[in-house]
Amino acid sequence: DGGITQSPKYLFRKEGQNVTLSCEQNLNHDAMYWYRQDPGQGLRLIYYSQIVNDFQKGDIAEGYSVSREKKESFPLTVTSAQKNPTAFYLCASSEWEGPNEQFFGPGTRLTVL
Amino acid sequence: GESVGLHLPTLSVQEGDNSIINCAYSNSASDYFIWYKQESGKGPQFIIDIRSNMDKRQGQRVTVLLNKTVKHLSLQIAATQPGDSAVYFCAETYNDYKLSFGAGTTVTVRA
Repeated sequence: DGGITQSPKYLFRKEGQNVTLSCEQNLNHDAMYWYRQDPGQGLRLIYYSQIVNDFQKGDIAEGYSVSREKKESFPLTVTSAQKNPTAFYLCASSEWEGPNEQFFGPGTRLTVL
Repeated sequence: GESVGLHLPTLSVQEGDNSIINCAYSNSASDYFIWYKQESGKGPQFIIDIRSNMDKRQGQRVTVLLNKTVKHLSLQIAATQPGDSAVYFCAETYNDYKLSFGAGTTVTVRA
């Protein structure tokens, strides 16, 4: 089965701690994306990557970091510098030659205690 | 049922009726548009897309209409079913392939 997996589904962290969210895809897509969703709101782009070892900031990158060492993987680290990290985080991927549909993972709900 | 205006966050529709969800987009240079459906606690699911060189596109029970003159996009769902209850997002993109999402419309289907 091809698709995008995110882990864990629920994540709790104490204030001041960094935490890394996992995103893996086996769709052979070049592009991957991280979005943040707050209750009752749309999706806001955090970071995106067009190709391995390259990534760009989205609209709300402050307090987040990413890496793209493998085509299949695009982990997101929520750092202690992120002022309000409690949110639903969504990873997506797409073909780069586009524009094209983005396929989304099931999401990770992060709660800061 | 029909949602109108720049943003109507909720739409209640009777089962079996047709639904119309509206979306006003902001960038006249946008050339690709997508509708997504999101159920509670899940990731968005692709419904249908349309490119700017088209006015209308049909899928299974869904139709997307694009009016570039007034920068308006709509999603029509025929014979709405209980499983159609969800939040629906429109998204637009131009040139650099980053999607910009609207705030979403919550559709509730009444039995």
